[in-house]
Amino acid sequence: QKEVEQDPGPLSVPEGAIVSLNCTYSNSAFQYFMWYRQYSRKGPELLMYTYSSGNKEDGRFTAQVDKSSKYISLFIRDSQPSDSATYLCAMNRGGFKTIFGAGTRLFVKA
Amino acid sequence: GAGVSQSPRYKVAKRGQDVALRCDPISGHVSLFWYQQALGQGPEFLTYFQNEAQLDKSGLPSDRFFAERPEGSVSTLKIQRTQQEDSAVYLCASSPPKRDTQYFGPGTRLTVL
Repeated sequence: QKEVEQDPGPLSVPEGAIVSLNCTYSNSAFQYFMWYRQYSRKGPELLMYTYSSGNKEDGRFTAQVDKSSKYISLFIRDSQPSDSATYLCAMNRGGFKTIFGAGTRLFVKA
Repeated sequence: GAGVSQSPRYKVAKRGQDVALRCDPISGHVSLFWYQQALGQGPEFLTYFQNEAQLDKSGLPSDRFFAERPEGSVSTLKIQRTQQEDSAVYLCASSPPKRDTQYFGPGTRLTVL
C-alpha cells in the first residue's frame, strides 16, 4: 500500500461546478500538506500549503486537512476550463522528503 | 523573475548510453531536489541537496544514478548505462532558505530506446 493514495480520475465537471479532490495517507507523522497543479508537459505548480489540521482558503481554492482521519481535500469553486489539469497532493514530516500522490486528472467542460 | 530551468527539455538515448540532465535553481535557493515522474504517476523523490551537500540520496533507484551540485547552485543528474525503465520525466525543484515550499522546473523528458 502506498503512503499516499489519490484517485487518478479522470474527473469531468461542467464549468462553474464545485470540484472536490481528495487524498488519504497512512503516515501519521506527516505535518505539512500541499496541493500542486500540473498542466500537460509542465512542472507542478504549488497551489496550497497548510500545516497540520484545519482549513485554508485562497481565492477559489480551499484546502482542508483532517489529521484524525488522515484525509486531505482541495475544493475548487466556480471551476473554469483553465482549471483543467492534474492535481497532485503532497505531504511531508517537515523537511525535505516530500511524498506525492499519483494525481487526479480534472477536465472542466465549457 | 526567473524560475527553475532544466535542460535539455527532451532527451532520447539509446539503451546503454550515459545521459546528463541539468538543473538551474532559483537564485538564492539553498535546497534542491530531484524527482522522477513516470507516466500517469506523481513525482517520486530521488535526492536532495542543501547547498553543495547531498543530504539524502535514498530515492536513487540504482548505482547508475548519480547527482552532484559542486558549487551549491547548478545541479546535474547523471544516469549511466541507461535502461528502458529509466524513461520518465525528471523534475528538479528548489526551495528558499527556511521554507518547505518547492518550486519546480518544467522537467526533462527522457526516452530510452
